[in-house]
Amino acid sequence: GAGVSQTPSNKVTEKGKYVELRCDPISGHTALYWYRQSLGQGPEFLIYFQGTGAADDSGLPNDRFFAVRPEGSVSTLKIQRTERGDSAVYLCASSGGSDEQFFGPGTRLTVL
Amino acid sequence: AQSVSQHNHHVILSEAASLELGCNYSYGGTVNLFWYVQYPGQHLQLLLKYFSGDPLVKGIKGFEAEFIKSKFSFNLRKPSVQWSDTAEYFCAVNPNSGTYKYIFGTGTRLKVLA
Repeated sequence: GAGVSQTPSNKVTEKGKYVELRCDPISGHTALYWYRQSLGQGPEFLIYFQGTGAADDSGLPNDRFFAVRPEGSVSTLKIQRTERGDSAVYLCASSGGSDEQFFGPGTRLTVL
Repeated sequence: AQSVSQHNHHVILSEAASLELGCNYSYGGTVNLFWYVQYPGQHLQLLLKYFSGDPLVKGIKGFEAEFIKSKFSFNLRKPSVQWSDTAEYFCAVNPNSGTYKYIFGTGTRLKVLA
C-alpha cells in the first residue's frame, strides 16, 4: 500500500488478556519500529527491526511485551497479561534507509 | 539519559501571528533532528528534518527550523500561522550513534484562532 497500515485501529480488552497488534510497513522498507504514545506524551520507542531480526529491543518495558517480524515485512506486537497501564496508542513506523520514519495511524489499546 | 524538551505544551495564536516552538535535546554527539505534526484525527507526518549542512531548514507548509548546535536547540518557526495549522507538533532526535530510534519530546498543542 501507499503508507504504513495498522490493525486494529481500536482494541478494547480486559485486564489479564492477551492482545496482538499488527503493522504493515511500506512495501520495500527494511526497517520497522514500534512506539507507544501515552496520553499527553510523545511517542516512546519500544523496538526496532532490521529485516527479520530485532536490532534494538531496549524500549520494551518488560517481558510481557514481545514483537516478531518473521518474513521481514509485517510485524506483530504481542502483549501478554495486559494491565491497565498498557493503555496507550501503539504506533508503527517504517523506513527505507533514509533515516526518515513514516508512521502509521496507530492502534488505540484500552485495557479495562 | 538522552531526552528532548519541548517547553511550550499549549500555544494559542490568532491567524497571521508568528510562531516559534522550542525544542532542546540532551546529547553531545551528532544528531539527526525532526519535527513531526499530527493534525486532528490523522497520523504523524514529517514537517522537516535536519541531517547536516545548512542549519536553517525549510519544510512543508511554510515551516522552517534552525539548528543551533551550541544551544542544543532545533526551534520550529512559521512567520504567519493559519487556522489549518492547528495540530500537535513533536520534536524528535535520532542520536547518530548506530541506533535508529527516535527520541520524542512531549509535544506542543497549537490552536490557531480564526
